[in-house]
Amino acid sequence: QKEVEQDPGPLSVPEGAIVSLNCTYSNSAFQYFMWYRQYSRKGPELLMYTYSSGNKEDGRFTAQVDKSSKYISLFIRDSQPSDSATYLCAMSAPDSSYKLIFGSGTRLLVRP
Amino acid sequence: DADVTQTPRNRITKTGKRIMLECSQTKGHDRMYWYRQDPGLGLQLIYYSFDVKDINKGEISDGYSVSRQAQAKFSLSLESAIPNQTALYFCATSDSRDRDLTDTQYFGPGTRLTVL
Repeated sequence: QKEVEQDPGPLSVPEGAIVSLNCTYSNSAFQYFMWYRQYSRKGPELLMYTYSSGNKEDGRFTAQVDKSSKYISLFIRDSQPSDSATYLCAMSAPDSSYKLIFGSGTRLLVRP
Repeated sequence: DADVTQTPRNRITKTGKRIMLECSQTKGHDRMYWYRQDPGLGLQLIYYSFDVKDINKGEISDGYSVSRQAQAKFSLSLESAIPNQTALYFCATSDSRDRDLTDTQYFGPGTRLTVL
């Protein structure tokens, strides 16, 4: 079993929809949680960073961490065609914060 | 200009050839990483370096070697390329001194390598 599980999709939604992307993990030591967005033929770019539990909001994006369930989510409100990309979750533990464990990525398509 | 650059962006080579992929950064970060990305497998760590004299193997280092020529430069070599090394390769950097974004990694644009 992988340390981080992520549904590969693809997830296809109409423009304006609320999108929910999720990852589950098995290592309770993870404290740092990140979401990266990767456009086709580009490198991953950091979208959201969260430490420990709780919510974090940045514009149309909300990152949520539930450590009791070992479950993290990224919500995108009012989705746009420009949000079409692959979204990768990543996480690490305090004693090895440099060692990011990535999910395999969820491909999102927002239809105009 | 991009903070993390990789050369070449695309490379096609033959089995048995030696290949070097290069990474440069202007972010001033001390840590650098090499990953490969395969469809459905996410990003896997090949090697990482905390500074010029500190280089460590990642989870899939077999068949690869690296060199940290300077704080800003980190190269990845395939001594004798084989077809199953066909993948996307990414370089990344992080700043161990950034307490607000602990070891958040910033990626280059990638190199698409095909080994025939």
